[in-house]
Amino acid sequence: DSGVTQTPKHLITATGQRVTLRCSPRSGDLSVYWYQQSLDQGLQFLIQYYNGEERAKGNILERFSAQQFPDLHSELNLSSLELGDSALYFCASSFGLAGRTGELFFGEGSRLTVL
Amino acid sequence: SQQGEEDPQALSIQEGENATMNCSYKTSINNLQWYRQNSGRGLVHLILIRSNEREKHSGRLRVTLDTSKKSSSLLITASRAADTASYFCATDAKGYSTLTFGKGTMLLVSP
Repeated sequence: DSGVTQTPKHLITATGQRVTLRCSPRSGDLSVYWYQQSLDQGLQFLIQYYNGEERAKGNILERFSAQQFPDLHSELNLSSLELGDSALYFCASSFGLAGRTGELFFGEGSRLTVL
Repeated sequence: SQQGEEDPQALSIQEGENATMNCSYKTSINNLQWYRQNSGRGLVHLILIRSNEREKHSGRLRVTLDTSKKSSSLLITASRAADTASYFCATDAKGYSTLTFGKGTMLLVSP
């Protein structure tokens, strides 16, 4: 158990809909990262927050947004969903910035299926 | 594009054999990490090697780093069926605050 909690584990929805994925980082970790994993694209970095502030942005679509709340949990909002958004979405956390202080701790992921 | 690229994409071996996976990357890094992912599960950190290190060991794992060639290798010795998983390298590139992952090597260890 990494200590990172993601909900929901599975989500099935229709095109055009909006969903929210939630992540609780490991106790004491200040950084939260979101990654998208699909078969054809591999593990793609979406966005990072550090202590409530956006720190880095990767290949995140404009239809997607995220935030980190004062209690450090984070939410990833996906809107106007398309079939191609079907993927496994991972949240990871670390105490400091990725890599500098060591490893990332990953949650078990939220599997999104868009029909 | 991905910072790290693993090679091979898939590897199938017998229990007891060694497994070697390679990772190449494009820009200067602060460190390189290897992660393991069991099917459909979250990634788990295996080992971190810093840019000023050339080799590191952890149990049955041996990682090497050649910054001149921008490459790393992960060796798993005396593999077990339980080592069956996907293995990813991740780079902490200089000037960035995130880890960038490759597409991974899928390792199958048969009993």
